[in-house]
Amino acid sequence: DGGITQSPKYLFRKEGQNVTLSCEQNLNHDAMYWYRQDPGQGLRLIYYSQIVNDFQKGDIAEGYSVSREKKESFPLTVTSAQKNPTAFYLCATHPGQGAYEQYFGPGTRLTVT
Amino acid sequence: SQKIEQNSEALNIQEGKTATLTCNYTNYSPAYLQWYRQDPGRGPVFLLLIRENEKEKRKERLKVTFDTTLKQSLFHITASQPADSATYLCALGGNNRLAFGKGNQVVVIP
Repeated sequence: DGGITQSPKYLFRKEGQNVTLSCEQNLNHDAMYWYRQDPGQGLRLIYYSQIVNDFQKGDIAEGYSVSREKKESFPLTVTSAQKNPTAFYLCATHPGQGAYEQYFGPGTRLTVT
Repeated sequence: SQKIEQNSEALNIQEGKTATLTCNYTNYSPAYLQWYRQDPGRGPVFLLLIRENEKEKRKERLKVTFDTTLKQSLFHITASQPADSATYLCALGGNNRLAFGKGNQVVVIP
């Protein structure tokens, strides 16, 4: 998991509540990513950020929001508009430009009932 | 539409044999392709990267091939061990992002 922290490991929320997932890194990487993984599914990109104060929508951004105020931090808010928020959420980092691997955090399992 | 296909059925293999996984894709022109290992409840871990102009890459007991004409990558684990049991994900890279396949589970039987 390297220098990427995601907290908490497990998160439970009631339907209709917004919830923010934390992702912090000490790798000094420019790029950060949020993915969602459902059982039997691959990773789907929610949002990504190449640089501080800038971010782009991924393939499934609806119902989510992010901010990138610091290089080390890329929090993800799951809003009440997200229809199926229960999933395993993974944060990843990347050095920046070029063909390098992504480094993943340990993930947060969110359950909304 | 863009698709990345990995076998949805688990690969059960005897210890010591070679496990071979396939990743096929359509409507992509990736600059590079990566393979990751994922254990249950954990984040993926990077294994190998191969660029579009490379045919083969090796790392210890792992080998990856990349055929951009066939739009296919093969991932081999030689002399497989029970500790190799996991799900393996292929990912296509380009434009500063990755697109992942669903993964293929490997079970190495002692």
